[in-house]
Parts: sequence; structure tokens; C-alpha cells
Amino acid sequence: QSALTQPASVSGSLGQSVTFSCTGSIIDVGGYDSVSWYQQRPGKAPKLLIYAVSKRPSGISDRFSGSKSGNTASLTISGLQAEDEADYYCSSYRGTSTLVVFGGVTRLTVL
Amino acid sequence: ELQLVQSGAEVQKPGESLKISCKASGYSFTTKWISWVRQMPGKGLEWMGRIDPDDSRSNYSPSFEGHVTFSVDKSIDTAFLQWSSLKASDTAIYYCARLGNFYDMDVWGQGTTVAVSS
Repeated sequence: QSALTQPASVSGSLGQSVTFSCTGSIIDVGGYDSVSWYQQRPGKAPKLLIYAVSKRPSGISDRFSGSKSGNTASLTISGLQAEDEADYYCSSYRGTSTLVVFGGVTRLTVL
Repeated sequence: ELQLVQSGAEVQKPGESLKISCKASGYSFTTKWISWVRQMPGKGLEWMGRIDPDDSRSNYSPSFEGHVTFSVDKSIDTAFLQWSSLKASDTAIYYCARLGNFYDMDVWGQGTTVAVSS
């Protein structure tokens, strides 16, 4: 059981928007602005999409956006493209000896 | 180019020791912590811990404390993950990643596959 809760799967049609959720608690997501999102394609290393809740690293499309409300963070992908089909993970700083926790994977299917 | 390059796949027997590596280039190695992340077959990502390449200070996730050891060699800009006695349950892909100021992992190695089987 992962420390942060993500839905197992999300689907959307080409061109639409989809939103992933990531639910934690006050000791991680809700207590700190240190939520990150990663994309992992099959056989590849994860890739950072969002850090510090809503910041995009250089080179990441503005179709990807992040937000947070209470203990739940969200990743939205707008203008879905076929290449977005992948696994997505959230992570957060946790104020315990664990330091960093991941969510379980959300698999995105583009219809 | 900013990158982390990991050592190749390993096949080991239970009880054996192993050390895998992660070589950094394109930035000052001692300025950012290195994290290690495990991905078991068909499963999600698990954060194992981090090491400060400047002074080798380490933090281990409780799930991994006592079973793995992090180390670095600053002279060759390389971080290491080692086991003294492998178990079959250590079979996984292991990633190193550079840890940012918000505990984000902004640069990742390509992963090292470790298979442990008798």
C-alpha cells in the first residue's frame, strides 16, 4: 500500500483534459509545498513534470499543470496527445524519517 | 549535458554482495543530494533514501535501513548503492536521481536491473 493515494487508472480522449489526484495527509501533501509529479513510459526512467506543487522544469510543456487543495494534489494534462499515454506518479516531502513518499501508479490511457 | 549514468544489469545469487554505481556529469556533483529509488517488477516507485555527496551524510527510508548502504566517491563524481547479502526480494530496477530543493528528483539515471535468483 503506497503512502499517497492515486487512482489506478485514468482515461481521456485526444485533445481533452484529464486530472490525476494524489491524496496524502497533513504530514506530507497537506503540510508542505513539496509535491512533485513524474511521467514514466514503458521501459524508461521516470521524468519530472511538476515540482513544488505547480512549477514546471525547463522543457516541460505548459499542457502540464499542478495544484493542491488541502491534503490532495492534482496534475492536469490539457490537450491530450497520444504520447501522454504513460504511468504517472506523485511524490511529496514527508515530515518524518521517511522524508519522501510516492503515490501508487496512475496509468493514463488515451482513447 | 546534465546526466546520471548507471552501471549495467546484474544477476546475482541470494547471499551475495553487490555494489552498483551512478556517475554524474554536467553539474557540480557535491552540490545536490543523490536519491535512490526502487521499482520492483510491475510495481510502483519506492524512495530508498538519499546521500549528500559532499560529506556522505545519508538518510535511509525505514523500509531500507540496515539492508542497503549508500556511498560516494567524490574524486570520480560517482554514487554507489550496495548490499552485503542479497535476497530474492531485492530483484528490481534501481534508479539514482538528483534531489532538488523541493525534494523533487529532476535528473534520473537510466536504471540498473538487479536480478537475484538461485
